[in-house]
Amino acid sequence: DIQMTQSPSSLSASVGDRVTITCRASQSISSYLDWYQQKPGRAPKLLIYAASTLQSGVPSRFSGGGSGTHFTLTISSLQPEDFATYYCQQSHTVPRTFGQGTRLEIK
Amino acid sequence: EVQLVESGGGLVQPGGSLRLSCAASGFTYSNSWMSWVRQAPGQGLEWVANIKQDGSQENYVDSVKGRFTISRDNGKNSLYLQMNSLRTEDTAVYYCAREDGYCTGGSCYFWFDPWGQGTLVTVSS
Repeated sequence: DIQMTQSPSSLSASVGDRVTITCRASQSISSYLDWYQQKPGRAPKLLIYAASTLQSGVPSRFSGGGSGTHFTLTISSLQPEDFATYYCQQSHTVPRTFGQGTRLEIK
Repeated sequence: EVQLVESGGGLVQPGGSLRLSCAASGFTYSNSWMSWVRQAPGQGLEWVANIKQDGSQENYVDSVKGRFTISRDNGKNSLYLQMNSLRTEDTAVYYCAREDGYCTGGSCYFWFDPWGQGTLVTVSS
């Protein structure tokens, strides 16, 4: 199975900050990488697919990059509604696997 | 509106069985791979199983193989998860999700969108 590792596991930041979350795959997954946002008590929401394509309706302050084994999710200027948990997920093979999550908290 | 609505969760004893359902609307259900994803209390996301558009192919995470069965009824726009021999570690919110995607240049990209609201399964004596 492909293991996905996110860093950091948690992050404290302020409104207006630029933050980057990293996701690493245990083997090359090309660009088969998606990012989700989850708020407490809610279902996950798709942000980015195919490593860098922004889902319709997602603010442009979110961006994704990388390929192979190293990927990033960047939020250019944090807004209050962005404080949540973020997950990466590979769609290269089954079983589909997720990173352990990065909890983004208000400083 | 594209929507998925799960039902069937509840409290069950270890070794027991439960059948989850997911009703789809707002899209051509028969054209989509579908998945179940779970989340144990306070934990991360774990993909459980998926099924091809016509039901001819199923995939499972190792921890549920032989105990869980995913199925679908395209006539009813519905997805199911039959869970047998339940264990305490199966306690989680179970989400159904569409595997949307596209193919280009010989590569096919997939992602989970949308997700249902989830249904809680508690395995406890």
